Amino acid sequence: DVQLVESGGGLIQPGGSLRLSCVASGFSVSDYYMSWVRQAPGKGLEWVSTLDRAGTTFYADSVRGRFSISRDNSHNTLYLQMNNLRAEDTAVYYCARDGSQRSFQYWGQGTVVTVSS
Amino acid sequence: DVQMTQSPSTLSASVGDRVTITCRASQSVNSWLAWFQQKPGRAPKPLIYKASNLESGVPSRFSGSGSGTEFTLTISSLQPDDFATYYCQQYNTFSWTFGQGTKVEIK
Repeated sequence: DVQLVESGGGLIQPGGSLRLSCVASGFSVSDYYMSWVRQAPGKGLEWVSTLDRAGTTFYADSVRGRFSISRDNSHNTLYLQMNNLRAEDTAVYYCARDGSQRSFQYWGQGTVVTVSS
Repeated sequence: DVQMTQSPSTLSASVGDRVTITCRASQSVNSWLAWFQQKPGRAPKPLIYKASNLESGVPSRFSGSGSGTEFTLTISSLQPDDFATYYCQQYNTFSWTFGQGTKVEIK
């Protein structure tokens, strides 16, 4: 079975850095488009970043230059390195995997990031 | 970026009602449009992919249609489990974008 488990969230001060992890099981992260999607408190869903099978990265304008998506094939894990965090980055961050003709077929349970002094 | 606009933002309906949610794109996304259902505190659940294809395990009362810039999600007979927030999402071009959501409430 496909499973995605995020971790690494927490309370961080503005300007700080945090790395989120998404451990995958039941498939290889290198074989799929892997993404991060976030949801600020009481708000809608926002696509953050995608890493495709070839290793090409895509970012939302709101995080480009501050966030970096990567994967470790040996640990079958997706990462999101978040630098220079702002209050508006406060959200639940979800890891998601694509499927045939789909963008987000499988989702993790999410990890909470709170940026506050 | 492609802007996705859903209407209505909130919908009040009764069990058994037929419900339709509209999603409009600021430019053509062909058929690369998905629909998700989300309940409070839960991850989104995929319902429809490529505009009109039902995800495995999703009840047949859900259906999607449209192409280009206008899409609809229809629930043929609303059930108690369907009260939730629904999002459309385009994946024709990066940046992928979501609609703002439609909350389906109990009337």
